[in-house]
Amino acid sequence: QSALTQPASVSGSPGQSITISCTGTSSDVGSYNLVSWYQQHPGKAPKLMIYEGSKRPSGVSNRFSGSKSGNTASLTISGLQAEDEADYYCCSYAGSSTFKVFGTGTKVTVL
Amino acid sequence: QITLKESGPTLVKPTQTLTLTCTFSGFSLSTSGVGVGWIRQPPGKALEWLALIYWDDDKRYSPSLKSRLTITKDTSKNQVVLTMTNMDPVDTATYYCAHSNTFAYGSGDFDYWGQGTLVTVSS
Repeated sequence: QSALTQPASVSGSPGQSITISCTGTSSDVGSYNLVSWYQQHPGKAPKLMIYEGSKRPSGVSNRFSGSKSGNTASLTISGLQAEDEADYYCCSYAGSSTFKVFGTGTKVTVL
Repeated sequence: QITLKESGPTLVKPTQTLTLTCTFSGFSLSTSGVGVGWIRQPPGKALEWLALIYWDDDKRYSPSLKSRLTITKDTSKNQVVLTMTNMDPVDTATYYCAHSNTFAYGSGDFDYWGQGTLVTVSS
């Protein structure tokens, strides 16, 4: 099972919106609405930002939203803020055998 | 308040077996829907999902590492143990344990994480 493909980096200015893509296959992203997104600041543990494709855990800003089209999931951050600068990882359910697979990670830079 | 903490050796030699312990508080691994998993991250690289054990002792493993991994739980001690055999320098990584609640966050998503422990594999 290969890692899901994400762009290495995405950048934007404060207040702008950015979108991070996460491309999988028909065996994972395309088959299930079970993509999650994690935010990781340097030296810190990841934080769950989106689950089941588009749902936000309690306490996560509504500036973060998730969606999916075919084999590609996306995370959009609107009203970009300096504190959003971090690495972001997607993760998808991939069936009972493989279970879960992470993406390659995207570094978000706030210009 | 849910907390998790990883413990184990910081340095292991190639071919040795790594044993990591996750000690947690604030929840019980006998509660329906609850699970504890392991994820690792080589320095400067991406996260990699390793294994997950559920309240009912259902276990899931990464297919690429399944032959080398064993995950067990001790509900009375609030601990989950991960063993990885035949360690290699490429296994050098920060190893995290994390809490999952299937009823709250779908299939195997992790809402609480430990701080991670760096394991270096070198002779």
